[in-house]
Amino acid sequence: DAGVIQSPRHEVTEMGQEVTLRCKPISGHNSLFWYRQTMMRGLELLIYFNNNVPIDDSGMPEDRFSAKMPNASFSTLKIQPSEPRDSAVYFCASTLDRGAYSNQPQHFGDGTRLSIL
Amino acid sequence: AQSVTQLDSHVSVSEGTPVLLRCNYSSSYSPSLFWYVQHPNKGLQLLLKYTSAATLVKGINGFEAEFKKSETSFHLTKPSAHMSDAAEYFCVVSDGQAAGNKLTFGGGTRVLVKP
Repeated sequence: DAGVIQSPRHEVTEMGQEVTLRCKPISGHNSLFWYRQTMMRGLELLIYFNNNVPIDDSGMPEDRFSAKMPNASFSTLKIQPSEPRDSAVYFCASTLDRGAYSNQPQHFGDGTRLSIL
Repeated sequence: AQSVTQLDSHVSVSEGTPVLLRCNYSSSYSPSLFWYVQHPNKGLQLLLKYTSAATLVKGINGFEAEFKKSETSFHLTKPSAHMSDAAEYFCVVSDGQAAGNKLTFGGGTRVLVKP
């Protein structure tokens, strides 16, 4: 089975440019998560969706970050304008949420390594 | 609120010797606990999970973990380390309350395996 697919794997761009990261969750999963990983802060949850609806975006750093999930098989994370401090690895994960206490594990993509110069 | 503390940021072992990665958690509810492994330039891969069934949980690649409620611990072990076990390991807790089973991650333990 195909896992969570993220693109691009690597992105290098200049400060001020718009960056769009893409994620295709595992087919049949109904929850999707965006994380950011840095050496200083470890793994941080940015936002998550349940049935395509954003549930908690309290981890989104600021208004420069936005995320969408137009359908069950696709999500984007956009940074506009980008800044050097946004450099990190961004992960997407998905799971099948059967409700409270369903305790299903999250499945992670291989990440997008973003470098803002 | 929930939190996870991984007691060692780095662990170094010789190939063929046991591995112990320590994890303590706190949770307001009966938690679900996971261990994930991350190899360089890869995403996190699930090793094993505890969800209130047996307290000794067996995972992939010979790893296992024991849930001890009295000690609020969920330590990960493997009897004999292999070179391919060199990676970063994350202990993770989910209280299962929120939709989507929001996770809280430990800071990670980087494992070095010496030949």
